[in-house]
Amino acid sequence: ELKVEQNPLFLSMQEGKNYTIYCNYSTTSDRLYWYRQDPGKSLESLFVLLSNGAVKQEGRLMASLDTKARLSTLHITAAVHDLSATYFCAGNTNAGKSTFGDGTTLTVKP
Amino acid sequence: GAGVSQTPSNKVTEKGKYVELRCDPISGHTALYWYRQSLGQGPEFLIYFQGTGAADDSGLPNDRFFAVRPEGSVSTLKIQRTERGDSAVYLCASSLLGQYNEQFFGPGTRLTVL
Repeated sequence: ELKVEQNPLFLSMQEGKNYTIYCNYSTTSDRLYWYRQDPGKSLESLFVLLSNGAVKQEGRLMASLDTKARLSTLHITAAVHDLSATYFCAGNTNAGKSTFGDGTTLTVKP
Repeated sequence: GAGVSQTPSNKVTEKGKYVELRCDPISGHTALYWYRQSLGQGPEFLIYFQGTGAADDSGLPNDRFFAVRPEGSVSTLKIQRTERGDSAVYLCASSLLGQYNEQFFGPGTRLTVL
């Protein structure tokens, strides 16, 4: 059974700084997803990663996947307040079922 | 175009009552998923439909939970004899099956069982 672990669970950072969120998963996963969730809102899809070495970037966020290490990272560059949210990674072992981590709550302070 | 919609947005019920939660997926999406999210946790998979049939219902916690998708579009999650532990946000997502299988989530239904 796939298990997904994120760290850190809470992250407070200053505007302009860089940081990385880590997502480890326990068994082979066909896809690795990253989502953003604002308080009281639903999940917004950020990235879908398929293959080893995949890297995707959108604005100040960059996601990567290392299938050999069973590790995905979400790197934040020059953080701004608007990035404050909870970020989830999820593995997907067949076409349907996704297993989520517990989320990383990011707070960006001026 | 329209995204995934869910009704009601909030549902308050008493312990022991029956509730139905509705999900309208994105038009043309063949796959539909139900998840449950408790405060401070990630979504937990409940059930997944391909078309009209439940392809994987391994996440349904017990036989009080049941879901249908009779025409391959709208889905209803049904919970019998609700318990306080059922209180959570129930999220629905839909996707076009394929290499990426990107899931688009609805706003959720917040269920509170008193």
